[in-house]
Amino acid sequence: GENVEQHPSTLSVQEGDSAVIKCTYSDSASNYFPWYKQELGKGPQLIIDIRSNVGEKKDQRIAVTLNKTAKHFSLHITETQPEDSAVYFCAASKRDSNYQLIWGAGTKLIIKP
Amino acid sequence: NAGVTQTPKFRILKIGQSMTLQCTQDMNHNYMYWYRQDPGMGLKLIYYSVGAGITDKGEVPNGYNVSRSTTEDFPLRLELAAPSQTSVYFCASIPASGKLEFFGPGTRLTVL
Repeated sequence: GENVEQHPSTLSVQEGDSAVIKCTYSDSASNYFPWYKQELGKGPQLIIDIRSNVGEKKDQRIAVTLNKTAKHFSLHITETQPEDSAVYFCAASKRDSNYQLIWGAGTKLIIKP
Repeated sequence: NAGVTQTPKFRILKIGQSMTLQCTQDMNHNYMYWYRQDPGMGLKLIYYSVGAGITDKGEVPNGYNVSRSTTEDFPLRLELAAPSQTSVYFCASIPASGKLEFFGPGTRLTVL
């Protein structure tokens, strides 16, 4: 079936360094790839997304890259700050669905002061 | 706008009991979703609705039921609660942009 694999499950980086989280999707028909940040006790928050007709998108310290051929997409956070600590989820759109997504298992990002 | 609201925030059920998780949005969104999130996992879609009077199953619908009598409300019903339904439940709605970006605060349910 369709699935999204996300790595690593935990990532610890020094404040100010960059963090990269990677996802692989299985369905070649997926054309929309959002990233969510989830803080403890809260619902997911959409932080950036990309559609399959572009290879990269950037929003301040956050960027997402997409390699359609390899079916990989990645989240890049530069100049990490303590408030970036959270669980991050990638997702991919589901074939023939009404805005349905297949979610990765999440990456716990820890920013060390 | 209050956004997406959910009640209750927490609930403990005994095996075999039933309950309804409430979800309301005041943004006039047609699409509404119910997800469950198990510890250390991503979200799994339980049921969704594309408008009042229309509902459909997601990935994990067994043990749940929904209704959508109005655009605003999308309650999730658990019948005969089981320990496997212990989870955090999120309701969400989607605006015309098609982006899943409005989540409720979640309901943490424990079935003992």
